[in-house]
Amino acid sequence: DGGITQSPKYLFRKEGQNVTLSCEQNLNHDAMYWYRQDPGQGLRLIYYSQIVNDFQKGDIAEGYSVSREKKESFPLTVTSAQKNPTAFYLCASSDHELHTDTQYFGPGTRLTVL
Amino acid sequence: GQNIDQPTEMTATEGAIVQINCTYQTSGFNGLFWYQQHAGEAPTFLSYNVLDGLEEKGRFSSFLSRSKGYSYLLLKELQMKDSASYLCAVMDSNYQLIWGAGTKLIIKP
Repeated sequence: DGGITQSPKYLFRKEGQNVTLSCEQNLNHDAMYWYRQDPGQGLRLIYYSQIVNDFQKGDIAEGYSVSREKKESFPLTVTSAQKNPTAFYLCASSDHELHTDTQYFGPGTRLTVL
Repeated sequence: GQNIDQPTEMTATEGAIVQINCTYQTSGFNGLFWYQQHAGEAPTFLSYNVLDGLEEKGRFSSFLSRSKGYSYLLLKELQMKDSASYLCAVMDSNYQLIWGAGTKLIIKP
């Protein structure tokens, strides 16, 4: 079955610790994205990558870092510099070959910083 | 700035029809998407409109008017499982998705 996986589903960390959220896809999509979702707000783009070994900052990249060493994987690190990291994090991927460029989402990781 | 507006919450009755509106102001337009998101879960793709008019897909239909910066999602024969948030998103001139805050739809028996 093709799809996008994120792990873990729930994550608890102490303030000041870095934490890495995983995102893997087997859809053979070139593009991958990380969003943050907070109550009452639209999804906000953190980082995106259109090809291996390349990524761009989104609207709220401060305090986050990513890597794209493999086509299938796009991990997100939430650093201690992120002032309000508690949120629902969503990873998505899309196939630029399709003109619609529809994004498909993983199940999400809910991060709580204590 | 770029902006997507949709109602925060709507209530409808099982078996009825509901229309969820979305208005947008973006830098360019490369299509409008509707997603469904159940509480605590990921958004799932419902529809894509890039040309004016109505796209029908089973119980769900989506309409677009580019000149008015307006779209709606029409849900027919509502079922309890349709209780969810519905997200409107527009792809701008840079092919980035701009997201609305979502409309929470509550279905009552």
